[in-house]
Amino acid sequence: EAGVTQFPSHSVIEKGQTVTLRCDPISGHDNLYWYRRVMGKEIKFLLHFVKESKQDESGMPNNRFLAERTGGTYSTLKVQPAELEDSGVYFCASSQGLISGNTIYFGEGSWLTVV
Amino acid sequence: RKEVEQDPGPFNVPEGATVAFNCTYSNSASQSFFWYRQDCRKEPKLLMSVYSSGNEDGRFTAQLNRASQYISLLIRDSKLSDSATYLCVVNRGGGYQKVTFGTGTKLQVIP
Repeated sequence: EAGVTQFPSHSVIEKGQTVTLRCDPISGHDNLYWYRRVMGKEIKFLLHFVKESKQDESGMPNNRFLAERTGGTYSTLKVQPAELEDSGVYFCASSQGLISGNTIYFGEGSWLTVV
Repeated sequence: RKEVEQDPGPFNVPEGATVAFNCTYSNSASQSFFWYRQDCRKEPKLLMSVYSSGNEDGRFTAQLNRASQYISLLIRDSKLSDSATYLCVVNRGGGYQKVTFGTGTKLQVIP
């Protein structure tokens, strides 16, 4: 069974440009999460989808970030316009159901560098 | 105060040594707890869940102390392959999953 897949794995863009990250969760997982780790900091929560609905987007840093999950399948995270401080690794994760003990599975991350 | 706190290390230990990490959490309503392992430039992967009764998986033992709000991870007979960052992860629960990560503790096992 395929795990959580993310695309692109690496991206280098200039300040002011737009980048869209994609995440395909494990098939059947209703929960989809986006997390981010910037250099030297801990992994931080960005937002959580349950199916196509945003359950919690309290971690989104500002309105330059837009996440969507149309149809409750894959999700995209768009950064527009990108700033230098957006550089880091963006992890997508998914889990099944709503039981708090369910394992959360991570994708390999999308490494973003803004220059 | 951070919601989940860990000593970032690094912990440099010789092969065969026993090493222990602690993690404290601030939200007493937290419901589930995990240790994840993250290798350099890789994604976090579940190492083990942590239960109130404690649990063991081979050389790894995890414990939860709800009264003092900390969890621990003990690694016995350290191997070179254990070198990684160990992330303490706490799930707030409350009807949906929202996990908070600690900064991670870096372990380097030395030959």
